[in-house]
Amino acid sequence: SQELEQSPQSLIVQEGKNLTINCTSSKTLYGLYWYKQKYGEGLIFLMMLQKGGEEKSHEKITAKLDEKKQQSSLHITASQPSHAGIYLCGADKIKTSYDKVIFGPGTSLSVIP
Amino acid sequence: AAGVIQSPRHLIKEKRETATLKCYPIPRHDTVYWYQQGPGQDPQFLISFYEKMQSDKGSIPDRFSAQQFSDYHSELNMSSLELGDSALYFCASRQGNEKLFFGSGTQLSVL
Repeated sequence: SQELEQSPQSLIVQEGKNLTINCTSSKTLYGLYWYKQKYGEGLIFLMMLQKGGEEKSHEKITAKLDEKKQQSSLHITASQPSHAGIYLCGADKIKTSYDKVIFGPGTSLSVIP
Repeated sequence: AAGVIQSPRHLIKEKRETATLKCYPIPRHDTVYWYQQGPGQDPQFLISFYEKMQSDKGSIPDRFSAQQFSDYHSELNMSSLELGDSALYFCASRQGNEKLFFGSGTQLSVL
């Protein structure tokens, strides 16, 4: 069963519009990651959130982790065609130093010029 | 800054052949992970190594094996390749619970 859920599954927005992608888990997470992937390419690290209520921003992308550490949102302001790609959330389920990161199914973002 | 290096970038094999994928983690990272990503799917965890010892195992077929060497590089060995093994294979590394960095992946095509 999918342990991380992402919504929406896909998103098409007009350039300049804001958008939000959500990542949800039924269990408390010890680390939440956001990655971006272009088709057939590697995963590009965007943000890592570890504390409940934490919020981080980089350029026009902001990610938040809720207080319970079970939900995260990724918000893009004034989207550009360069933002297009697949956004994957990943999470550490437990706190050991070598635990695997599990991934959500991804959200495909298209930005229309 | 050094990144995770994977080779080869692309690999074409025929059914029943063998393949070896290599991964060079970021220096001083203590954990290496291998993931398999099929078309349109999220990365699926295969296996990981912590300080050169296998630390966890996911949905890795018995036909696959992996190891981490004394210089910390890792190899994923795949035998009796099947059409369904065609995928993007990622290696990732990190130090403790820090950021997980991915390599660019090896695109394996089995014909």
